[in-house]
Amino acid sequence: EAQVTQNPRYLITVTGKKLTVTCSQNMNHEYMSWYRQDPGLGLRQIYYSMNVEVTDKGDVPEGYKVSRKEKRNFPLILESPSPNQTSLYFCASNDGTPNSYEQYFGPGTRLTVT
Amino acid sequence: GQNIDQPTEMTATEGAIVQINCTYQTSGFNGLFWYQQHAGEAPTFLSYNVLDGLEEKGRFSSFLSRSKGYSYLLLKELQMKDSASYLCAVRDRGNDYKLSFGAGTTVTVRA
Repeated sequence: EAQVTQNPRYLITVTGKKLTVTCSQNMNHEYMSWYRQDPGLGLRQIYYSMNVEVTDKGDVPEGYKVSRKEKRNFPLILESPSPNQTSLYFCASNDGTPNSYEQYFGPGTRLTVT
Repeated sequence: GQNIDQPTEMTATEGAIVQINCTYQTSGFNGLFWYQQHAGEAPTFLSYNVLDGLEEKGRFSSFLSRSKGYSYLLLKELQMKDSASYLCAVRDRGNDYKLSFGAGTTVTVRA
């Protein structure tokens, strides 16, 4: 089954404790992206990656890091989480061809930072 | 950057029609998307418009006017399962990988 998976689905952590949210897709997609979703603000893009070893900042990259060492994986790293990073996070992918437009979203990771 | 506006909430009756408007102001435009998101779930793709006009897909239709910076999503023959949030998103002309989303419109369908 074609899918995007994220782990963990739920996480409660404390300020300053480094964490990683994993994202993996099995569709051989070139493009992957991370979003956060907050009430009243909608989905905001954090980082995206056009291919292996190619990443760029989205609209709200501060406090986050990403890496793309393999095509299928795109982990999101919070080196020192803060309460304002409490949010619902989505990973997404698409095949990256010029006419591709449908993004496939993972199930989401609900993060709480206390 | 992108500035995307859509109503916060709408309510309609089962079997009726609802139109969700989206207006945008952009520094560059290369397509507009509509996604559906049920509570607690991931967004799922509904439609994509890059040229002016109406795209129909079953009970859902999406319209775009690039000159007016305006789109709408039309939901016909509403069903209870259509109760969800509907997200309007614009793709940046200079960067196919950058998507900017509106805050979403929560549609409640009542019996």
